[in-house]
Amino acid sequence: ETGVTQTPRHLVMGMTNKKSLKCEQHLGHNAMYWYKQSAKKPLELMFVYSLEERVENNSVPSRFSPECPNSSHLFLHLHTLQPEDSALYLCASSQQGADTQYFGPGTRLTVL
Amino acid sequence: ELKVEQNPLFLSMQEEKNYTIYCNYSTTSDRLYWYRQDPGKSLESLFVLLSNGAVKQEGRLMASLDTKARLSTLHITAAVHDLSATYFCAVDVNSGYALNFGKGTSLLVTP
Repeated sequence: ETGVTQTPRHLVMGMTNKKSLKCEQHLGHNAMYWYKQSAKKPLELMFVYSLEERVENNSVPSRFSPECPNSSHLFLHLHTLQPEDSALYLCASSQQGADTQYFGPGTRLTVL
Repeated sequence: ELKVEQNPLFLSMQEEKNYTIYCNYSTTSDRLYWYRQDPGKSLESLFVLLSNGAVKQEGRLMASLDTKARLSTLHITAAVHDLSATYFCAVDVNSGYALNFGKGTSLLVTP
């Protein structure tokens, strides 16, 4: 695998389910990001991890819970989501503070 | 709050024509990015502009940055169908962490 990978690519879940999104980067970067892309809205930064420490959390609801166990992996744990949380969730990575962010293919999430 | 505004948001243009997409931002920054997104795909990095007056070119696309005017442009020369995509500009105001994106410009190039 090369670049940034995300699984699953598509996810449909009910409002009471718990699921997790996974991101893995194979670029040797030390910063990872979660973004939300909704229709008709700009990309929204959700979480930033640098050297496995969370450095930014843009007031994201607690039903979204990130986890970064090491510099190559990033998870987004989901529970009791709302239909308005349906969106494309993009993971990205970069070298800390200095470089372009490289994006994964995204997970298309639908909350019923 | 940083605002990043792109215009136009939708652009339909004929092949072989030239056009410019504009990206204005509301606070000081000397680092601006352009990305391309094809339908159903992720974002692909096109250009990184790191200083006032920076100009970069790749094929039929040329990007420039005027930090004093807080303006970046993406110029398309002699458009071809393969350039049809959504183009985003993004501004970095936090040393590489927070990227603030514009809403994107959906470009359709027609014969």
